Amino acid sequence: NAGVTQTPKFRILKIGQSMTLQCTQDMNHNYMYWYRQDPGMGLKLIYYSVGAGITDKGEVPNGYNVSRSTTEDFPLRLELAAPSQTSVYFCASRPNHNRVKTEAFFGQGTRLTVV
Amino acid sequence: GIQVEQSPPDLILQEGANSTLRCNFSDSVNNLQWFHQNPWGQLINLFYIPSGTKQNGRLSATTVATERYSLLYISSSQTTDSGVYFCAVAGVQGAQKLVFGQGTRLTINP
Repeated sequence: NAGVTQTPKFRILKIGQSMTLQCTQDMNHNYMYWYRQDPGMGLKLIYYSVGAGITDKGEVPNGYNVSRSTTEDFPLRLELAAPSQTSVYFCASRPNHNRVKTEAFFGQGTRLTVV
Repeated sequence: GIQVEQSPPDLILQEGANSTLRCNFSDSVNNLQWFHQNPWGQLINLFYIPSGTKQNGRLSATTVATERYSLLYISSSQTTDSGVYFCAVAGVQGAQKLVFGQGTRLTINP
């Protein structure tokens, strides 16, 4: 059971470049999340999704886009990379909140540097 | 939305000591989890504990949902316990979002 898989693990981007961070889960979870973690800080919610075709903004959505075409995949798109987007990005998934147990599981993270 | 506060922000202890980390939340929850972020940045699930008490080896956790707090206990600390401990909650209101506290940085010295 792979759980939540993020790719790539590391990436260096130049200012203005675009990229997509991939996230896939094999637990059939409805809810998926993208967080960013700046050095020495906690995790801030960028976007989340409650199911295929449904996404919503978190606390820090500016500069990012997401889509959810399948239950398994939740890619995060950076269109015009800026140095302020240098961070570690975490993807997570968990069952619908109406389930008995709604434990969240996290991927290994993607360390992104924008230069 | 729901607010999460963790205390203390930093804790420095000698190996063998016991520690208590606290997580306060501002509303009723249907999900509360404790994570350990190790020095390599990985988030390790410690406990899923929206209510009650659980134990896993030297670690235990208690959530008093009616009083809106959770405690993580670490006994006989080891240097490998060092890292940042996060509490994350999903409120009954706005249950889709999982909100993190700012974390407690624990340093265990040999």
